[in-house]
Amino acid sequence: DQQVKQNSPSLSVQEGRISILNCDYTNSMFDYFLWYKKYPAEGPTFLISISSIKDKNEDGRFTVFLNKSAKHLSLHIVPSQPGDSAVYFCAATGADGLTFGKGTHLIIQP
Amino acid sequence: DTGVSQDPRHKITKRGQNVTFRCDPISEHNRLYWYRQTLGQGPEFLTYFQNEAQLEKSRLLSDRFSAERPKGSFSTLEIQRTEQGDSAMYLCASSPSGGNSEQYFGPGTRLTVT
Repeated sequence: DQQVKQNSPSLSVQEGRISILNCDYTNSMFDYFLWYKKYPAEGPTFLISISSIKDKNEDGRFTVFLNKSAKHLSLHIVPSQPGDSAVYFCAATGADGLTFGKGTHLIIQP
Repeated sequence: DTGVSQDPRHKITKRGQNVTFRCDPISEHNRLYWYRQTLGQGPEFLTYFQNEAQLEKSRLLSDRFSAERPKGSFSTLEIQRTEQGDSAMYLCASSPSGGNSEQYFGPGTRLTVT
């Protein structure tokens, strides 16, 4: 049973527009959420995180929004750039290691 | 380079052989984690260490899997009697100890069991 779900396997966005990646979770014990970016043949790279006591965190072009009541978070990238093309993983911390979603492949179209 | 390093990057082995992977974390990080990633899935947590203590190992996939971090620095993950289903990317990550903090991943070891 997946506790972190990314329901969009892929997403195509035009360069310069906003990319919105979504993530849902089921475990109410999760209290810290992270987004990672992964290129082929590399390990995941940390992008941005948010604590459950906040509803928004911003870092440059990246903003993460958390809706605790809906158990939903989203990553906004604006403006989208060609180098943003990668697989994006949503993850949550529980008692031990991170629990990851299956990822969303973001493709930025020129 | 002060990032997480893993060795080897690729390993091809025959079914039934034992394999061992090494991970060197970021030097000031006390926590070290192992994950496995298969095609189309996110990384799956296996085990972690706080310094040399292994604090969680119930999520290791079977008793063929074991991990060590003898001096609280580098760690090894061993798989005995490999099976074709063990073919995957094995990822190591490290983080500072305590509380919620980001984990920083190495490039991974790609294992292929033939």
